[in-house]
Amino acid sequence: DGGITQSPKYLFRKEGQNVTLSCEQNLNHDAMYWYRQDPGQGLRLIYYSQIVNDFQKGDIAEGYSVSREKKESFPLTVTSAQKNPTAFYLCASTSWSLAGGRDTQYFGPGTRLTVL
Amino acid sequence: KQEVTQIPAALSVPEGENLVLNCSFTDSAIYNLQWFRQDPGKGLTSLLLIQSSQREQTSGRLNASLDKSSGRSTLYIAASQPGDSATYLCAPDSGTYKYIFGTGTRLKVLA
Repeated sequence: DGGITQSPKYLFRKEGQNVTLSCEQNLNHDAMYWYRQDPGQGLRLIYYSQIVNDFQKGDIAEGYSVSREKKESFPLTVTSAQKNPTAFYLCASTSWSLAGGRDTQYFGPGTRLTVL
Repeated sequence: KQEVTQIPAALSVPEGENLVLNCSFTDSAIYNLQWFRQDPGKGLTSLLLIQSSQREQTSGRLNASLDKSSGRSTLYIAASQPGDSATYLCAPDSGTYKYIFGTGTRLKVLA
């Protein structure tokens, strides 16, 4: 089955620690995204990548880093510089539509990160 | 700058009612608009994608309409069921690097 996987489902981070969230897709999509969701708030874009070996900062990139070495994979590292990382993290991917704009956006199941 | 508003923010209805969820957006120059469903603690699931050239899109008991010129989309849910309880989000695609998501309508259908 095609889709997006994220791991781990739950992650606990100690102060000063870097942690990496995994995102893998087998949909052959060029574009991938990382969002952060806080309780009662909408989705905020952290980073996005439209093609392999290229990525751009979103609205709240400070304290986060990404890489895109393979089309299928877009891992997110939450660094110690991110002062309030406790949140729900969602990875998504999409392709470009022949009609213009993007096609259906698919989301992974999410990773809940908690700082101890 | 695109801004998206969803009304109502929350809705609680008895089972069997027909529902209307509203989405308004400020920039009408969009390619398409997607409606998503999110269950608590889960990722988003795409329900319907309606192209700017379309007026409606249907999937089962769901029907989405789009009036691009007035910046509005409506999601109709027919004969609601407790399993429809979730948060519903809309996202117009302006073709920029990102989607702008609404904050959602939290729906509870009572048995």
